[in-house]
Amino acid sequence: GQSLEQPSEVTAVEGAIVQINCTYQTSGFYGLSWYQQHDGGAPTFLSYNALDGLEETGRFSSFLSRSDSYGYLLLQELQMKDSASYFCAVSAGGYQKVTFGIGTKLQVIP
Amino acid sequence: DVKVTQSSRYLVKRTGEKVFLECVQDMDHENMFWYRQDPGLGLRLIYFSYDVKMKEKGDIPEGYSVSREKKERFSLILESASTNQTSMYLCASSLGRVENGYTFGSGTRLTVV
Repeated sequence: GQSLEQPSEVTAVEGAIVQINCTYQTSGFYGLSWYQQHDGGAPTFLSYNALDGLEETGRFSSFLSRSDSYGYLLLQELQMKDSASYFCAVSAGGYQKVTFGIGTKLQVIP
Repeated sequence: DVKVTQSSRYLVKRTGEKVFLECVQDMDHENMFWYRQDPGLGLRLIYFSYDVKMKEKGDIPEGYSVSREKKERFSLILESASTNQTSMYLCASSLGRVENGYTFGSGTRLTVV
């Protein structure tokens, strides 16, 4: 099976940079995804990494190291609206089944 | 934009009832999924489907079944609801490979009393 670890809560200041880490254990790894979920809302897809390295999408970047079974989501120039839960998710196995972590609740403070 | 619609936002059912949760997507996605979300446990996969009339068990299928008679509709069935099935249920769909990401519905908060 798969297992993922990410911090349960992170607090950061508006305008700052925050990194949310994710470590995973799985067989048949395909890639690592990140999702954002605001309170009461649906998760929304942010990024996907299949290869080592950094992928940048605007203020958000996602990193993967396959050899370390580790990835992170980097949020720059934090805004209050970035307060949400962030889930890492691994895809593995024959159907590339996606398994989610427990989520990291990010609180952005003024 | 792809839209995934779940028929009910809130649902209250009695123990032992048969419960149907409906999910419809409007962008011809092959893949559809049912997750439940509980505090401290994240999202856990119940069932998924990669084609009409096809279904695969996820990580926690016990007590659930699914039906996919049409490509756009994926139903989750609780044969005999129990209080430990009180949860937020999220339906998702995706096109092709996982790197395209999932599109989630807004969820159904089911309470079993």
